[in-house]
Amino acid sequence: ETGVTQSPTHLIKTRGQQVTLRCSSQSGHNTVSWYQQALGQGPQFIFQYYREEENGRGNFPPRFSGLQFPNYSSELNVNALELDDSALYLCASSLPDRGTEAFFGQGTRLTVV
Amino acid sequence: GEDVEQSLFLSVREGDSSVINCTYTDSSSTYLYWYKQEPGAGLQLLTYIFSNMDMKQDQRLTVLLNKKDKHLSLRIADTQTGDSAIYFCAETLPGFQKLVFGTGTRLLVSP
Repeated sequence: ETGVTQSPTHLIKTRGQQVTLRCSSQSGHNTVSWYQQALGQGPQFIFQYYREEENGRGNFPPRFSGLQFPNYSSELNVNALELDDSALYLCASSLPDRGTEAFFGQGTRLTVV
Repeated sequence: GEDVEQSLFLSVREGDSSVINCTYTDSSSTYLYWYKQEPGAGLQLLTYIFSNMDMKQDQRLTVLLNKKDKHLSLRIADTQTGDSAIYFCAETLPGFQKLVFGTGTRLLVSP
């Protein structure tokens, strides 16, 4: 049990819709990262937030956006959903000076039909 | 560029040792990690090694790093059925905290 919780655990959306995924960080962790894990693949970095600011972004289009709140919880928003967005979305939290230890939530399984 | 590769599958018998291998391309990697993922679950950090080390041992786990060949391995001693999972190798690069993952190695432990 890492203390990082994600909601919902499963979600089905229709192509073209918008979705918001949520993450509560482990207590005291002010850095949150989001990853997309397609079936049979390793996780791919989407972006990272530190103190409510985006602190780096992977190779994902602008329709993937995020927010981090003062309590360090975070949201991942995806607009104009495509079938290829179907994946497990993972949130990881860490301390900025202990970036070596990122703790992952259980993930949200998104299916786009 | 950033590229981490792993073999896809490993099958061992309970009680044997397992060795999972990983190669990476970026010589500026700072930390290298091993994560475990069980079905339907997130990623569990097993262990990590700083790039200036060549070995780290933690109970049943031994990590070996060959920087010259950019090769990382994870040895699990006395493998148990509960060790059956997908194991991911990952790296981080200087100045940034993103993890670059391999495609994962599925370990199957049979009784």
